[in-house]
Amino acid sequence: NAGVMQNPRHLVRRRGQEARLRCSPMKGHSHVYWYRQLPEEGLKFMVYLQKENIIDESGMPKERFSAEFPKEGPSILRIQQVVRGDSAAYFCASSSRDRGNEQFFGPGTRLTVL
Amino acid sequence: AQTVTQSQPEMSVQEAETVTLSCTYDTSENNYYLFWYKQPPSRQMILVIRQEAYKQQNATENRFSVNFQKAAKSFSLKISDSQLGDTAMYFCAFMKHDDKIIFGKGTRLHILP
Repeated sequence: NAGVMQNPRHLVRRRGQEARLRCSPMKGHSHVYWYRQLPEEGLKFMVYLQKENIIDESGMPKERFSAEFPKEGPSILRIQQVVRGDSAAYFCASSSRDRGNEQFFGPGTRLTVL
Repeated sequence: AQTVTQSQPEMSVQEAETVTLSCTYDTSENNYYLFWYKQPPSRQMILVIRQEAYKQQNATENRFSVNFQKAAKSFSLKISDSQLGDTAMYFCAFMKHDDKIIFGKGTRLHILP
């Protein structure tokens, strides 16, 4: 059973471009969480999604950031018009109610904004 | 709102020694989960140990054990017989049932040869 997959692993964007980060949860998992880790910081929650639903987006910046988890395909975290402050590692985690809430983390996507 | 505090930004110990990482948290919840995650230079988040708040017995995983003091809201991690491969960032974390994880700022641990 493959783990949580994220791609790309590294993404470089210039200011003003769009960044799309993908997360494929573990097989059978229908809950996806996105976290952001700024340099020398802990991970901070951004958004919690279930298939086709945003459950909690209290950690998402109000502008330029959006997330989706469609019925088919990976979850996408989209950042429009990136700025230097968006440079960070973005982690996805997935869980299934059957596994007692344990969240399994992907390897992360490191976004660098030039 | 829940908070997690790790008061030791950085620690160094000699290989084979025992080291304890501190963590305190604040919550009004009665049922929750506590975790220690390891993040090596590869940046992969690795679950080290997990504790359910309703269990009084401290969790243990091989060389890793915790001292969970629910009334004091304290959750320290003890690493016995430390190894060079234990060098990493360690994050203490809190989670309510079916909810997001709240992480501390981390402790950078160096195991010295």
